Amino acid sequence: AQRVTQPEKLLSVFKGAPVELKCNYSYSGSPELFWYVQYSRQRLQLLLRHISRESIKGFTADLNKGETSFHLKKPFAQEEDSAMYYCALSGNDYKLSFGAGTTVTVRA
Amino acid sequence: EAGVTQFPSHSVIEKGQTVTLRCDPISGHDNLYWYRRVMGKEIKFLLHFVKESKQDESGMPNNRFLAERTGGTYSTLKVQPAELEDSGVYFCASSFRGETSGARTQYFGPGTRLTVL
Repeated sequence: AQRVTQPEKLLSVFKGAPVELKCNYSYSGSPELFWYVQYSRQRLQLLLRHISRESIKGFTADLNKGETSFHLKKPFAQEEDSAMYYCALSGNDYKLSFGAGTTVTVRA
Repeated sequence: EAGVTQFPSHSVIEKGQTVTLRCDPISGHDNLYWYRRVMGKEIKFLLHFVKESKQDESGMPNNRFLAERTGGTYSTLKVQPAELEDSGVYFCASSFRGETSGARTQYFGPGTRLTVL
């Protein structure tokens, strides 16, 4: 079975402060991990995927197979980063399993 | 390029009625997925089409839900009869077919918010 855990439902940070969203997963094979973001009144959109190893909007995420984690990080949060963030896993069957989501609020 | 579209954006129906949701995937995407988020819960997989064939319908909650994708283009998800617990946001997503990792990247529609009274 595949499972994704996001332990924080809510995360509030000040503008300019670092932000880290935790994601842990369980899967017996080699999954692909994603972070999706949903801004207010917008659709769910891909933020980044582990296989790309890229930084999007200043966010990075590293897959740690030993700890089965895929935490999302940004060194300096901006107000426009306020959104709902979902960690998701895709296994051999391609369907996505989502975490519960973390609502991030960046305060001025 | 147009993204995934869904219709309607909102639907309010009474218990026992029928509702049909529609999803138009990105052109050329053979994979089409339906997901659902009920209040306070996680986004859950419902089913997966590859072209017109149901690849995986393990997430469909019961036989009141019927999904079709005639011709391998748009898809419909019908709920008949609707129950209170069916309320939630129904998302559609699509991806192109292939064995590359890019095929796992799914692009989502805006969702249909269904309210059953």
